[in-house]
Amino acid sequence: KAGVTQTPRYLIKTRGQQVTLSCSPISGHRSVSWYQQTPGQGLQFLFEYFSETQRNKGNFPGRFSGRQFSNSRSEMNVSTLELGDSALYLCASSLVAMAGGELFFGEGSRLTVL
Amino acid sequence: DQQVKQNSPSLSVQEGRISILNCDYTNSMFDYFLWYKKYPAEGPTFLISISSIKDKNEDGRFTVFLNKSAKHLSLHIVPSQPGDSAVYFCAARGNTGTASKLTFGTGTRLQVTL
Repeated sequence: KAGVTQTPRYLIKTRGQQVTLSCSPISGHRSVSWYQQTPGQGLQFLFEYFSETQRNKGNFPGRFSGRQFSNSRSEMNVSTLELGDSALYLCASSLVAMAGGELFFGEGSRLTVL
Repeated sequence: DQQVKQNSPSLSVQEGRISILNCDYTNSMFDYFLWYKKYPAEGPTFLISISSIKDKNEDGRFTVFLNKSAKHLSLHIVPSQPGDSAVYFCAARGNTGTASKLTFGTGTRLQVTL
């Protein structure tokens, strides 16, 4: 079956702009989470959605937001972009939103902020 | 505060030998640990996991050891193969009931040489 699909794969923005990234989870998966990967910081948890509800949020400023639609697709938005937002943004889906569920990651959206 | 630490950013091992990747954690609330492998331009893929009620889990060439008293886990790959060359992330999950909030280490780049 198709894996987790993220769009766009690459994008370049300038400081102050905003960006929206999209994630389509594996069919049947209702939990979607987002991670930011930067060199030296590893993967940092942004937020998690399950059945259109945000269930958990990481330690990121309010400029980072997300949502999930009824078909489980998810979007994340970053407003007022800063240079430090340049990163690989990874989306992951899982069948259930409870401990023990394996995460399946997409290939990521690489954002460059100039 | 890095709660999951991979102190070796890189490791080089000859083909056929054992690769040992290490991970330390500080949060005693973590009760489930995972290893993910990441190739360039791809998302991380799940490799192996271990619950805190166990001290060893084996899957083919991959074995994960957990030492709870030392808050340390390690991934052993025997024998190492060139296709194992990738970045390996250690991750941990707390017992909060949510599957997706993983705390990742910064990764160790493994290179398996011929």
